[in-house]
Amino acid sequence: DIQMTQSPSSLSASVGDSVTITCRASQGINNHLAWFQQKPGKAPKSLIYAMSSLQSGVPSKFSGSGSGTDFTLTISSLQPEDFATYYCQQYDSLPLTFGGGTKVEI
Amino acid sequence: EVQLVESGGGLVQPGGSLRLSCAASGFTFSDHYMNWVRQAPGKGPEWVARIRDRSKSYTTYYAASVKGRFTISRDDSGNSLYIQMSSLKTEDTAIYYCAREVRDNSGYCYFDSWGQGTLVTVSS
Repeated sequence: DIQMTQSPSSLSASVGDSVTITCRASQGINNHLAWFQQKPGKAPKSLIYAMSSLQSGVPSKFSGSGSGTDFTLTISSLQPEDFATYYCQQYDSLPLTFGGGTKVEI
Repeated sequence: EVQLVESGGGLVQPGGSLRLSCAASGFTFSDHYMNWVRQAPGKGPEWVARIRDRSKSYTTYYAASVKGRFTISRDDSGNSLYIQMSSLKTEDTAIYYCAREVRDNSGYCYFDSWGQGTLVTVSS
């Protein structure tokens, strides 16, 4: 199974800040990497797929990048609605696996 | 608008069975791979099962943790996804989400839409 390791597990930021979340795969995943946002009591919401492609309707303040086994999600100009938990997920091979999550809080 | 609505969750004793349903609307259900993904309290999501579409003979895949105990199925005429869960364990306690897959430019499938989830609690 491909292990997905996210860091940090949590971070504190302020409105207007930019933050970067890192995700590392235990082996190459051919950029088949997705990012999700989850707010308390809600289902995950798709943000990015194929490492850097923005899901329809997602604002451009979210961006994804990376190469090989290391990937990043950057959120610019944090707004109150961006405080949530973010997960990476590989879809290169079964079983599909998720990172442990990064909680972005004030 | 894509809508996925899960139902069927509840409290069940260890060793018991439960069947979850997911009603789909707003898209051509039969064209998509569909999945169940669960999330235990305070934990990250965990993929459970996938069922491919008719063109791929409705092939099914399971996480090792549920293989042999859970069965995913679909009814394309009724736009519904199901999962039959048996021999339930306390560690199966989670919110269960159905999730739709779509293809990226490389032809690989990723989750683009999720339902709101249904809670399954396995406890005596």
